[in-house]
Amino acid sequence: LAKTTQPISMDSYEGQEVNITCSHNNIATNDYITWYQQFPSQGPRFIIQGYKTKVTNEVASLFIPADRKSSTLSLPRVSLSDTAVYYCLVGVRGAGNKLTFGGGTRVLVKP
Amino acid sequence: GAVVSQHPSRVICKSGTSVKIECRSLDFQATTMFWYRQFPKQSLMLMATSNEGSKATYEQGVEKDKFLINHASLTLSTLTVTSAHPEDSSFYICSARDGRGGNTEAFFGQGTRLTVV
Repeated sequence: LAKTTQPISMDSYEGQEVNITCSHNNIATNDYITWYQQFPSQGPRFIIQGYKTKVTNEVASLFIPADRKSSTLSLPRVSLSDTAVYYCLVGVRGAGNKLTFGGGTRVLVKP
Repeated sequence: GAVVSQHPSRVICKSGTSVKIECRSLDFQATTMFWYRQFPKQSLMLMATSNEGSKATYEQGVEKDKFLINHASLTLSTLTVTSAHPEDSSFYICSARDGRGGNTEAFFGQGTRLTVV
């Protein structure tokens, strides 16, 4: 399983864009990149998944360069409720494939 | 969307007793479920992979006789913490993937806060 490296924490302010970069230098050809959000005392929640280039949904964008050795999660116009821990995971898709969590990035959104 | 439900959400037990945590996939069948443990301000640590109809696969360092996993149906996996001790106090989370239609995102239960006193 590819190991991921993320910043431990980031501070931001309401209304700003938050970009979290994840390094995954040994990503394999069949690996996808998935980001999860976790609030205190809750299970993680899926945010976005991608394989290459750019993926956008209603809550975030995911930018993946051509070499796929890193990825950036972009949260537009954050609010206080976006304060959470964000995890970048890399692995093969499939119902039986386990997910291994790295350290995550603790994002604090200030008023 | 697919939902994974855990029960109970919070439990307090006495040292030496056993506690069972249930994980259910509410609207999809899950041949595989995963159990995680999370200590305060730490990341999720994968404990074991629960396989329907067969033995669970445990991660290195996780005692299979202490953390009993049963996956008797396609929608239910249980984790039993046997002879619990205060150091077993933690946040336990289960996960499953709905493989229908190419949807491979993992869904997580709301977690179970175990406190052993």
